Amino acid sequence: DSGVTQTPKHLITATGQRVTLRCSPRSGDLSVYWYQQSLDQGLQFLIQYYNGEERAKGNILERFSAQQFPDLHSELNLSSLELGDSALYFCASSVGAGKHTFGSGTRLTVV
Amino acid sequence: ILNVEQSPQSLHVQEGDSTNFTCSFPSSNFYALHWYRWETAKSPEALFVMTLNGDEKKKGRISATLNTKEGYSYLYIKGSQPEDSATYLCAFRSSNTGKLIFGQGTTLQVKP
Repeated sequence: DSGVTQTPKHLITATGQRVTLRCSPRSGDLSVYWYQQSLDQGLQFLIQYYNGEERAKGNILERFSAQQFPDLHSELNLSSLELGDSALYFCASSVGAGKHTFGSGTRLTVV
Repeated sequence: ILNVEQSPQSLHVQEGDSTNFTCSFPSSNFYALHWYRWETAKSPEALFVMTLNGDEKKKGRISATLNTKEGYSYLYIKGSQPEDSATYLCAFRSSNTGKLIFGQGTTLQVKP
């Protein structure tokens, strides 16, 4: 157990739907990052939050949004889902800009 | 566009062989270079975070070097074991963004 908790582990949903992925960072970590790993792709950075504020943004689609709450957990919202959004979504946390501790990921399948 | 390249893409070695992989990254605006180990069906696990040119880090049989001026890092595994089989990822953080840009990884298979 890395200390970073992601729920759910698996999600199957239909095109056009909206889902929310949840991440609880390791105790003491203020930064939360979201990554997407699609088939044959490496880890693609989506977004970073630090202590509740957005710190950096990657190639995150407008249909996707995220937030970090006062208790530091984070949610990634994916809406108007398309088949191509099927991927493994990882959350990671860190103390400042240090090493990432990754969660076990949420595997999203859009059918 | 920030590009992080890793080579080779995959590697098959025999148990006991020593091996190394390369990570190339932009040589400007360097902040840190991370190495992660990613076993199948698990999540990536941090090996090293390197910040200074000339840095060398070691963890057991695995070590890494860093050259920020020319933009490369090497990861070495001495006496590979089957349990070393995994994908090894490097990731670059620049000083002017908070993003961690990952390479595609080097997948190592160690045969007993």
